[in-house]
Amino acid sequence: QQQVKQSPQSLIVQKGGISIINCAYENTAFDYFPWYQQFPGKGPALLIAIRPDVSEKKEGRFTISFNKSAKQFSLHIMDSQPGDSATYFCAADQSQGSARQLTFGSGTQLTVLP
Amino acid sequence: SAVISQKPSRDICQRGTSLTIQCQVDSQVTMMFWYRQQPGQSLTLIATANQGSEATYESGFVIDKFPISRPNLTFSTLTVSNMSPEDSSIYLCSVQGYSNQPQHFGDGTRLSIL
Repeated sequence: QQQVKQSPQSLIVQKGGISIINCAYENTAFDYFPWYQQFPGKGPALLIAIRPDVSEKKEGRFTISFNKSAKQFSLHIMDSQPGDSATYFCAADQSQGSARQLTFGSGTQLTVLP
Repeated sequence: SAVISQKPSRDICQRGTSLTIQCQVDSQVTMMFWYRQQPGQSLTLIATANQGSEATYESGFVIDKFPISRPNLTFSTLTVSNMSPEDSSIYLCSVQGYSNQPQHFGDGTRLSIL
């Protein structure tokens, strides 16, 4: 059962435009929501993350919007650049006893055209 | 964040053989995890590598197929046993410093089975 649903599967944006990726979850035990960026041949790299007590977090051109009641969160990339072209994964994290378990969305392949 | 080194970075193996993948971190971490990422797909957790005890496997993954060791707080290995073409994938190590910190990933091992 997929616990984190991510859309769209792929996204093409013009340079300077806004890229928006959406995720939804069902498990209310999730308490940490990171976004990872993955370039070809590399591992996922943490981009930005949010906890459910905050509705928005901004770091440079990247913003997470979080709607706890709707169980949805999204990544906004402002002024998108060709260098942002990568695969983006949302994820949700929960405590499992002494460990934490990370559940990933299906990923979005972003292409920013020059 | 911690520097994570995985070896080998890629390999091509024969059907029926086994390969051991190493994950080395430059600082002590509480949690180490192993993931599988099939080409163009999301990440699936294989197991949590527990220091000093048996690994905790996720549904669909068994110790006989994916034995894991974690002899100390900076090192873990994943063995892919009796490989078949279906095991062709990227295998990723991730680490977590403390329970309230995010996971960070290595660059993975790209495995192809002939």
